[in-house]
Amino acid sequence: SAVISQKPSRDICQRGTSLTIQCQVDSQVTMMFWYRQQPGQSLTLIATANQGSEATYESGFVIDKFPISRPNLTFSTLTVSNMSPEDSSIYLCSARTGGNTEAFFGQGTRLTVV
Amino acid sequence: AQTVTQSQPEMSVQEAETVTLSCTYDTSESDYYLFWYKQPPSRQMILVIRQEAYKQQNATENRFSVNFQKAAKSFSLKISDSQLGDAAMYFCAYRSAIRAGSYQLTFGKGTKLSVIP
Repeated sequence: SAVISQKPSRDICQRGTSLTIQCQVDSQVTMMFWYRQQPGQSLTLIATANQGSEATYESGFVIDKFPISRPNLTFSTLTVSNMSPEDSSIYLCSARTGGNTEAFFGQGTRLTVV
Repeated sequence: AQTVTQSQPEMSVQEAETVTLSCTYDTSESDYYLFWYKQPPSRQMILVIRQEAYKQQNATENRFSVNFQKAAKSFSLKISDSQLGDAAMYFCAYRSAIRAGSYQLTFGKGTKLSVIP
């Protein structure tokens, strides 16, 4: 298994600003994922982050809005840029280790944009 | 594309009783994984149980068990001897075991489970 620490756990931000969310894993992982969970909704994959390559974004998500970094095998960041109230969501980091079929999750970041 | 459907937005169960949460999925793939995740108010997604599609035997994890019907594309979760700590959102999820590099999960909309003392 893997333990994933996500920071910040919550934040309230002004519209037009940007927020960077950090995700730290306690072991080296092959793949990391960023999900968005809008209020009362399920999780939607934003992008897959592989170390040493550009993140792969899902339909409806673009790099200019959600830039992602993956500098090493234990760390990733997601930036929510030029925020609007519609970006208010929970953002979750997830990771998969090579030997596991399941994914592990961080505790999420609750973002409120005012 | 795969889809996961949870038709019960909310369920409730009396403490110590048994409850079953439903999940159906749609896929054309023959090999895949299915999961149930629990999300308590703390927001932490916790893996409850997983099932490999190639295994006929239903997975069991303590008080949690699944009824996996591959032909019907059904994957229900049974919680026995329900406890107050079981109250949470439960998400059913699918992951391909075939498509190279495709390790992301597709989630259902979730079922909110309440446990009545």
